[in-house]
Amino acid sequence: GAGVSQTPSNKVTEKGKYVELRCDPISGHTALYWYRQSLGQGPEFLIYFQGTGAADDSGLPNDRFFAVRPEGSVSTLKIQRTERGDSAVYLCASSFSSASEQYFGPGTRLTVT
Amino acid sequence: AQKITQTQPGMFVQEKEAVTLDCTYDTSDPSYGLFWYKQPSSGEMIFLIYQGSYDQQNATEGRYSLNFQKARKSANLVISASQLGDSAMYFCAMRFTSNTGKLIFGQGTTLQVKP
Repeated sequence: GAGVSQTPSNKVTEKGKYVELRCDPISGHTALYWYRQSLGQGPEFLIYFQGTGAADDSGLPNDRFFAVRPEGSVSTLKIQRTERGDSAVYLCASSFSSASEQYFGPGTRLTVT
Repeated sequence: AQKITQTQPGMFVQEKEAVTLDCTYDTSDPSYGLFWYKQPSSGEMIFLIYQGSYDQQNATEGRYSLNFQKARKSANLVISASQLGDSAMYFCAMRFTSNTGKLIFGQGTTLQVKP
């Protein structure tokens, strides 16, 4: 079946602009996660959704970052007033439940100039 | 503090030989899960193997096995009969509570398989 998909694959934006990153999870997966991976580092947790609600947003770095999952499927990560330090690969993962293994998408490479 | 440590930034192995990638962790939580992921140069994270803290036997998945030593808090990945396609970055990760399922990752180990 289809895996996790993310769009766009690459995004270049200017400092101060607003961006949206999209994630389509595997069909039937109720748990959805966002991670951020800087060059040469392991992924860092941002936020976890169970269904439509954000069950754990403890990894969001500040209030410029926000994510939604209005219908319990597709999720959008939104970043306001982007900064150069936001440049990274943003990974989305989904799982059947919070106790199951997570399957990752290909990521969105965000570059803030 | 909950932490995952991978002390080998880079490893080399000859094709067809076995290799062990180290991972240690620190937690006081009695219930946790350990994962290994492979990340090729394409960037996608590929799930390899899982070990639960209460599992009595070490996990195995094909050529991958997890050497779980609970008292030492280590969860090393063993890849047998290495193939050129195994060249990639490997991440150890831990889930500390099944309530949220969030993973905490180590820094990763780059594995290069030599022909």
